[in-house]
Amino acid sequence: EVQLVESGGGLVQPGGSLRLSCEASGFTVSNNYIAWVRQAPGKGLDWVASVYSSGSTYSKDSVKGRFTISRDISKNTVDLQMNSLRVEDTALYYCARGYCSGGTCHAGWFDPWGQGTPVIVSS
Amino acid sequence: ETILTQSPVTLSLSPGERASLACRASQSVGNSLAWYQQRPGQAPRLLIYDASNRATGIPDRFSGSGSGTDFILTITSLEADDFAVYYCQQRDSWPLTFGPGTRVDIK
Repeated sequence: EVQLVESGGGLVQPGGSLRLSCEASGFTVSNNYIAWVRQAPGKGLDWVASVYSSGSTYSKDSVKGRFTISRDISKNTVDLQMNSLRVEDTALYYCARGYCSGGTCHAGWFDPWGQGTPVIVSS
Repeated sequence: ETILTQSPVTLSLSPGERASLACRASQSVGNSLAWYQQRPGQAPRLLIYDASNRATGIPDRFSGSGSGTDFILTITSLEADDFAVYYCQQRDSWPLTFGPGTRVDIK
Protein backbone atom coordinates (compact mmCIF):
# COMPACT_ATOMS: atom_id res chain seq x y z
CA GLU A 1 0.00 0.00 0.00
CA VAL A 2 1.26 3.45 -0.91
CA GLN A 3 1.48 5.60 2.22
CA LEU A 4 3.10 8.82 3.40
CA VAL A 5 3.70 9.70 7.04
CA GLU A 6 4.90 13.14 8.11
CA SER A 7 6.78 13.91 11.31
CA GLY A 8 8.90 16.61 12.89
CA GLY A 9 6.35 19.34 13.46
CA GLY A 10 6.06 21.31 16.67
CA LEU A 11 6.13 24.67 18.41
CA VAL A 12 9.03 26.96 17.54
CA GLN A 13 9.82 30.62 18.15
CA PRO A 14 10.05 33.10 15.28
CA GLY A 15 13.48 32.84 13.69
CA GLY A 16 13.84 29.21 14.73
CA SER A 17 14.26 26.05 12.68
CA LEU A 18 12.46 22.74 12.19
CA ARG A 19 13.09 19.74 9.99
CA LEU A 20 10.04 17.90 8.70
CA SER A 21 10.26 14.39 7.36
CA CYS A 22 7.95 12.53 5.00
CA GLU A 23 8.43 8.77 5.18
CA ALA A 24 7.19 6.83 2.18
CA SER A 25 6.10 3.22 2.06
CA GLY A 26 4.97 1.14 -0.90
CA PHE A 27 7.20 3.07 -3.30
CA THR A 28 10.64 4.66 -3.54
CA VAL A 29 11.00 8.43 -3.28
CA SER A 30 13.89 8.44 -5.72
CA ASN A 31 11.54 7.40 -8.56
CA ASN A 32 8.71 9.77 -7.75
CA TYR A 33 7.64 13.40 -7.57
CA ILE A 34 6.99 14.52 -3.98
CA ALA A 35 5.68 17.85 -2.75
CA TRP A 36 5.04 19.69 0.50
CA VAL A 37 1.74 21.54 0.74
CA ARG A 38 0.62 23.48 3.81
CA GLN A 39 -2.69 24.63 5.21
CA ALA A 40 -2.91 27.43 7.75
CA PRO A 41 -5.62 27.02 10.39
CA GLY A 42 -9.04 27.48 8.78
CA LYS A 43 -7.47 28.41 5.43
CA GLY A 44 -6.89 26.85 2.03
CA LEU A 45 -4.08 24.83 0.50
CA ASP A 46 -0.71 26.40 -0.26
CA TRP A 47 2.01 24.66 -2.27
CA VAL A 48 5.45 25.01 -0.66
CA ALA A 49 8.06 22.95 -2.51
CA SER A 50 8.53 19.96 -4.81
CA VAL A 51 11.25 17.51 -5.76
CA TYR A 52 11.18 15.63 -9.05
CA SER A 53 12.48 12.09 -9.63
CA SER A 54 15.39 13.75 -11.44
CA GLY A 55 16.32 15.52 -8.22
CA SER A 56 15.29 18.96 -9.46
CA THR A 57 13.63 21.06 -6.80
CA TYR A 58 11.24 24.00 -6.85
CA SER A 59 9.82 26.16 -4.08
CA LYS A 60 7.58 29.17 -3.73
CA ASP A 61 9.23 32.57 -3.56
CA SER A 62 8.25 33.31 0.04
CA VAL A 63 10.22 30.30 1.33
CA LYS A 64 13.22 30.47 -1.00
CA GLY A 65 16.42 30.88 0.96
CA ARG A 66 14.66 29.67 4.12
CA PHE A 67 13.22 26.23 3.27
CA THR A 68 15.06 23.39 1.54
CA ILE A 69 13.48 20.22 0.19
CA SER A 70 15.71 17.14 -0.07
CA ARG A 71 15.58 13.37 -0.33
CA ASP A 72 17.22 10.76 1.88
CA ILE A 73 17.30 7.68 -0.31
CA SER A 74 18.60 5.42 2.48
CA LYS A 75 15.60 6.26 4.66
CA ASN A 76 13.13 6.62 1.77
CA THR A 77 12.12 10.06 3.04
CA VAL A 78 11.67 13.56 1.67
CA ASP A 79 12.62 16.22 4.17
CA LEU A 80 11.80 19.91 4.48
CA GLN A 81 14.40 21.93 6.36
CA MET A 82 12.76 25.12 7.55
CA ASN A 83 14.93 27.97 8.83
CA SER A 84 14.17 31.55 9.82
CA LEU A 85 10.58 30.58 10.55
CA ARG A 86 7.92 33.28 10.62
CA VAL A 87 4.54 33.46 12.32
CA GLU A 88 2.92 33.22 8.88
CA ASP A 89 4.53 29.78 8.35
CA THR A 90 2.17 28.36 10.98
CA ALA A 91 0.22 25.57 9.28
CA LEU A 92 -0.43 21.87 8.95
CA TYR A 93 2.25 20.60 6.57
CA TYR A 94 1.30 17.77 4.23
CA CYS A 95 3.51 15.78 1.92
CA ALA A 96 2.00 14.28 -1.21
CA ARG A 97 3.16 12.13 -4.10
CA GLY A 98 2.61 12.83 -7.74
CA TYR A 99 -0.49 10.99 -8.90
CA CYS A 100 0.21 7.69 -10.64
CA SER A 101 -2.24 5.65 -12.68
CA GLY A 102 -1.79 2.87 -15.18
CA GLY A 103 1.97 3.05 -14.97
CA THR A 104 2.04 6.79 -15.67
CA CYS A 105 2.89 9.29 -12.97
CA HIS A 106 1.83 12.93 -13.20
CA ALA A 107 4.14 15.43 -11.53
CA GLY A 108 2.16 18.37 -10.21
CA TRP A 109 -1.00 16.46 -9.34
CA PHE A 110 -1.03 15.31 -5.72
CA ASP A 111 -2.25 11.93 -4.56
CA PRO A 112 -1.96 10.34 -2.08
CA TRP A 113 -1.38 12.72 0.80
CA GLY A 114 -0.14 12.09 4.30
CA GLN A 115 -2.12 13.17 7.34
CA GLY A 116 0.08 16.18 7.99
CA THR A 117 2.33 17.45 10.77
CA PRO A 118 1.55 20.74 12.55
CA VAL A 119 4.01 23.62 12.70
CA ILE A 120 3.29 26.48 15.10
CA VAL A 121 5.54 29.52 15.02
CA SER A 122 4.89 31.67 18.06
CA SER A 123 6.72 33.48 20.82
CA GLU B 1 1.57 33.87 -10.58
CA THR B 2 -1.68 32.31 -11.79
CA ILE B 3 -4.51 33.28 -9.47
CA LEU B 4 -7.42 30.83 -9.23
CA THR B 5 -10.83 32.14 -8.19
CA GLN B 6 -13.60 29.77 -7.12
CA SER B 7 -17.32 30.40 -6.98
CA PRO B 8 -19.53 30.28 -5.12
CA VAL B 9 -17.79 30.47 -1.76
CA THR B 10 -20.49 28.27 -0.24
CA LEU B 11 -23.08 26.09 -1.92
CA SER B 12 -26.00 24.89 0.19
CA LEU B 13 -27.75 21.91 -1.35
CA SER B 14 -29.77 18.87 -0.38
CA PRO B 15 -28.74 15.24 -0.89
CA GLY B 16 -29.70 14.13 -4.37
CA GLU B 17 -29.27 17.60 -5.89
CA ARG B 18 -26.73 18.55 -8.55
CA ALA B 19 -23.73 20.75 -7.69
CA SER B 20 -21.80 22.93 -10.12
CA LEU B 21 -18.60 24.51 -8.86
CA ALA B 22 -16.61 27.01 -10.88
CA CYS B 23 -12.90 27.80 -11.05
CA ARG B 24 -11.48 30.69 -13.07
CA ALA B 25 -7.79 31.23 -13.78
CA SER B 26 -6.20 34.67 -14.15
CA GLN B 27 -4.43 33.41 -17.29
CA SER B 28 -4.79 30.36 -19.47
CA VAL B 29 -3.69 27.08 -17.89
CA GLY B 30 -4.68 24.95 -20.89
CA ASN B 31 -6.11 21.76 -19.42
CA SER B 32 -3.63 21.73 -16.52
CA LEU B 33 -6.23 21.90 -13.80
CA ALA B 34 -7.19 19.49 -11.01
CA TRP B 35 -9.93 19.29 -8.40
CA TYR B 36 -9.55 18.03 -4.82
CA GLN B 37 -12.04 17.19 -2.11
CA GLN B 38 -11.27 17.81 1.56
CA ARG B 39 -13.56 16.49 4.25
CA PRO B 40 -13.31 17.91 7.81
CA GLY B 41 -10.23 16.67 9.62
CA GLN B 42 -8.95 14.80 6.58
CA ALA B 43 -6.24 15.28 4.01
CA PRO B 44 -7.33 16.34 0.52
CA ARG B 45 -7.89 13.72 -2.15
CA LEU B 46 -7.58 14.08 -5.89
CA LEU B 47 -10.85 13.88 -7.81
CA ILE B 48 -10.12 15.19 -11.30
CA TYR B 49 -6.86 15.87 -13.15
CA ASP B 50 -6.08 17.35 -16.55
CA ALA B 51 -9.43 19.16 -16.29
CA SER B 52 -11.65 16.18 -17.05
CA ASN B 53 -9.99 12.88 -16.07
CA ARG B 54 -11.32 11.14 -12.99
CA ALA B 55 -8.69 9.81 -10.60
CA THR B 56 -8.68 6.12 -9.72
CA GLY B 57 -11.60 5.12 -7.54
CA ILE B 58 -13.56 8.35 -7.97
CA PRO B 59 -17.28 7.75 -8.61
CA ASP B 60 -18.65 8.78 -12.00
CA ARG B 61 -21.03 11.27 -10.39
CA PHE B 62 -17.97 13.56 -10.33
CA SER B 63 -17.02 15.15 -13.64
CA GLY B 64 -14.81 18.01 -14.74
CA SER B 65 -14.95 20.23 -17.79
CA GLY B 66 -13.37 23.35 -19.25
CA SER B 67 -10.09 24.58 -20.64
CA GLY B 68 -8.09 27.76 -20.78
CA THR B 69 -9.40 29.96 -17.96
CA ASP B 70 -12.83 28.55 -17.07
CA PHE B 71 -13.51 25.20 -15.45
CA ILE B 72 -16.45 23.43 -13.84
CA LEU B 73 -16.67 20.55 -11.38
CA THR B 74 -20.06 18.87 -11.48
CA ILE B 75 -21.39 16.49 -8.87
CA THR B 76 -24.60 14.83 -9.96
CA SER B 77 -26.90 13.63 -7.19
CA LEU B 78 -25.05 14.65 -4.03
CA GLU B 79 -24.45 11.98 -1.42
CA ALA B 80 -23.77 12.46 2.31
CA ASP B 81 -19.99 11.98 1.85
CA ASP B 82 -19.85 14.73 -0.79
CA PHE B 83 -20.48 17.57 1.66
CA ALA B 84 -16.95 18.94 1.93
CA VAL B 85 -14.64 21.67 0.65
CA TYR B 86 -13.47 21.51 -2.97
CA TYR B 87 -10.29 23.10 -4.29
CA CYS B 88 -9.04 23.61 -7.82
CA GLN B 89 -5.29 23.64 -8.56
CA GLN B 90 -3.18 24.47 -11.61
CA ARG B 91 0.18 23.04 -12.61
CA ASP B 92 0.66 24.99 -15.83
CA SER B 93 3.13 27.47 -14.35
CA TRP B 94 5.21 28.12 -11.24
CA PRO B 95 4.29 28.56 -8.51
CA LEU B 96 1.68 25.84 -8.36
CA THR B 97 -1.45 27.46 -7.02
CA PHE B 98 -4.76 26.45 -5.48
CA GLY B 99 -8.07 28.24 -5.46
CA PRO B 100 -9.55 29.38 -2.12
CA GLY B 101 -12.11 26.57 -2.11
CA THR B 102 -15.88 26.10 -2.33
CA ARG B 103 -17.69 24.65 0.65
CA VAL B 104 -20.63 22.39 -0.19
CA ASP B 105 -22.86 22.07 2.82
CA ILE B 106 -26.20 20.50 3.59
CA LYS B 107 -29.20 22.75 3.10
